[in-house]
Amino acid sequence: AQSVTQPDIHITVSEGASLELRCNYSYGATPYLFWYVQSPGQGLQLLLKYFSGDTLVQGIKGFEAEFKRSQSSFNLRKPSVHWSDAAEYFCAHNDYKLSFGAGTTVTVRA
Amino acid sequence: DTEVTQTPKHLVMGMTNKKSLKCEQHMGHRAMYWYKQKAKKPPELMFVYSYEKLSINESVPSRFSPECPNSSLLNLHLHALQPEDSALYLCASRSGQSSYNEQFFGPGTRLTVL
Repeated sequence: AQSVTQPDIHITVSEGASLELRCNYSYGATPYLFWYVQSPGQGLQLLLKYFSGDTLVQGIKGFEAEFKRSQSSFNLRKPSVHWSDAAEYFCAHNDYKLSFGAGTTVTVRA
Repeated sequence: DTEVTQTPKHLVMGMTNKKSLKCEQHMGHRAMYWYKQKAKKPPELMFVYSYEKLSINESVPSRFSPECPNSSLLNLHLHALQPEDSALYLCASRSGQSSYNEQFFGPGTRLTVL
């Protein structure tokens, strides 16, 4: 079955430090991959997406992600986190429906 | 307008009540979705409407009844719910059928069933 997995349930990072969230996918063909962020009690906001072309994708809020077919990964990165980046992050694959990973909770300490 | 709105924000209901959740978008999107999200879990797809017709029902119990009266509105009618149905209910819309088109999510309705 097609799926995305997020190996890290919870990550704590200091404000100003870099952040990397892992996402692995299992597909044969090129996947349609997305990263969404969800602040507490809120809906999901799209950070970025990948379909084809340049494997380094720029998103909103200073996030970027790199698609690596050889590693079946689509990891999300931010060079310097802000306290407002504390949230739940979901990697997802889009086919006839969005299939989400389990999510990674990001805590930002001062 | 790139917004999906949902009302109410919060809803508390008893197991014998009948209530409805409402979702609205004015982006001209022809695919609309209902998701259920439990705490600390990813959203789970419930229903998909495409061009105002129900295209996917993910084996959702009949106490949840979706309705798409027009291309901008999506309702979820609730009846005889159970406490385990308490969750955040998210609505989303998508512009086209391509898997590249992202879904736009509303802020959700926080439902508590007593």
